[in-house]
Amino acid sequence: QQQVKQSPQSLIVQKGGISIINCAYENTAFDYFPWYQQFPGKGPALLIAIRPDVSEKKEGRFTISFNKSAKQFSLHIMDSQPGDSATYFCAAMEGKTGTASKLTFGTGTRLQVTL
Amino acid sequence: DTGVSQNPRHKITKRGQNVTFRCDPISEHNRLYWYRQTLGQGPEFLTYFQNEAQLEKSRLLSDRFSAERPKGSFSTLEIQRTEQGDSAMYLCASSLGAGREQYFGPGTRLTVT
Repeated sequence: QQQVKQSPQSLIVQKGGISIINCAYENTAFDYFPWYQQFPGKGPALLIAIRPDVSEKKEGRFTISFNKSAKQFSLHIMDSQPGDSATYFCAAMEGKTGTASKLTFGTGTRLQVTL
Repeated sequence: DTGVSQNPRHKITKRGQNVTFRCDPISEHNRLYWYRQTLGQGPEFLTYFQNEAQLEKSRLLSDRFSAERPKGSFSTLEIQRTEQGDSAMYLCASSLGAGREQYFGPGTRLTVT
């Protein structure tokens, strides 16, 4: 059972455009939602993360929008650049104390930013 | 470089052989995680240590897999009697205290022929 569903699977955006990647979850115990960026042959790198007590978080060109009632969150990349071309993963973590803080990942979105 | 390091970066082995990977977490990070990533998929949780204690193992971690973190610093992941289905990228991550942020290493790519 896929606990975090991510879409689209791939995305092509022109340079300067806005890239939008969406994720949805079912487990209401999730209370931490990070996004990771991964280049080929590299490990995932933490980009930005949000807790469900806020609806939006912005860091530079990256913004997370969070809709707790819909159990959805999204990553917006403003002014997309060719260097942003990578695979992006959403993830989620349960907030229970005393249990392992493992991440559950989405299936990834391959972003290509064209000139 | 003070990030998470993993060795080797690549490993090619024949089916049935045993392999061992090493992960060195960020200094002072007391939590260490192993994940497995197959082509085109997101990482999947395998196991997790807090200091030297292994606190959770995924059902993905069959009895052919064993992980240790003997002194609460580096960790090893051993796969016995490798199978072609074990071919994947094995990722290690670490985090500090109660912090949620997990920082990943570059991974070890295993190919079983």
